[in-house]
Amino acid sequence: QQQVKQSPQSLIVQKGGISIINCAYENTAFDYFPWYQQFPGKGPALLIAIRPDVSEKKEGRFTISFNKSAKQFSLHIMDSQPGDSATYFCAAIGGSNYQLIWGAGTKLIIKP
Amino acid sequence: KAGVTQTPRYLIKTRGQQVTLSCSPISGHRSVSWYQQTPGQGLQFLFEYFSETQRNKGNFPGRFSGRQFSNSRSEMNVSTLELGDSALYLCASSTGQGFSYEQYFGPGTRLTVT
Repeated sequence: QQQVKQSPQSLIVQKGGISIINCAYENTAFDYFPWYQQFPGKGPALLIAIRPDVSEKKEGRFTISFNKSAKQFSLHIMDSQPGDSATYFCAAIGGSNYQLIWGAGTKLIIKP
Repeated sequence: KAGVTQTPRYLIKTRGQQVTLSCSPISGHRSVSWYQQTPGQGLQFLFEYFSETQRNKGNFPGRFSGRQFSNSRSEMNVSTLELGDSALYLCASSTGQGFSYEQYFGPGTRLTVT
C-alpha cells in the first residue's frame, strides 16, 4: 500500500517530442505528489508538484496530469530538449507519516 | 537562502571501518531525511529526524544510525562498513510540518568502500 510504481524505467525521445512518465499509487491518504529531476552527480531537485484537488498543473514545458479515481499521475515534458536528459522520480506523501514514498526512477534521454 | 550542504563530498573507506557524514539543512528547516542511492536503484530511505528526534526509519540494519542537533544539523554514521555500502548518500531538508512537504536535497556524499 505504501508503494509508488513508476514506468517506464528508461525512455528515449527525439528532440521536440513529448516525454511521458507514469506513476501509480495505492494509498488514498497520499495528498502531495512531487516530481524530482536528477542530473548525474547531483542531488534530486524538485521540479513540479500537485495536490489531488486539481487534475492538472503546468509549469512551463512541464505538466502533471492527475487521475484521482485511477490513482495515477504522470509527468509530461513538452518540446523535449537535450538538456532535459536526466533521471526523473515521482513520489507521494500524506497521512500521518511524513515520509516521501519514491518511485524507482526513469532515465530520460533526449536525442538531438 | 543557502541550500543544503553535505560534507564531505567524497569519501573512501576500507571495509570494517566506520564513517560519519554531515548535513546542514536550509535555515529554518527542522526536518532532515537521509537516503542511500546506488546505481540503477531509486532512493532508499534511511531515516528522518525532526527537532532532534527520529520520526521515521527505513529498512536498514542497525549499522546505520543518525542524530540531529539543536541547530537542525544532522549526522549519519555507518559502522563496520561493507562493500555494499558504497553509494551516494543524500540528505534532504524540509520544514517538516504542516502541509509543506517540499524536500530540498544536498549534492550528496559519494562513499566508496574498498
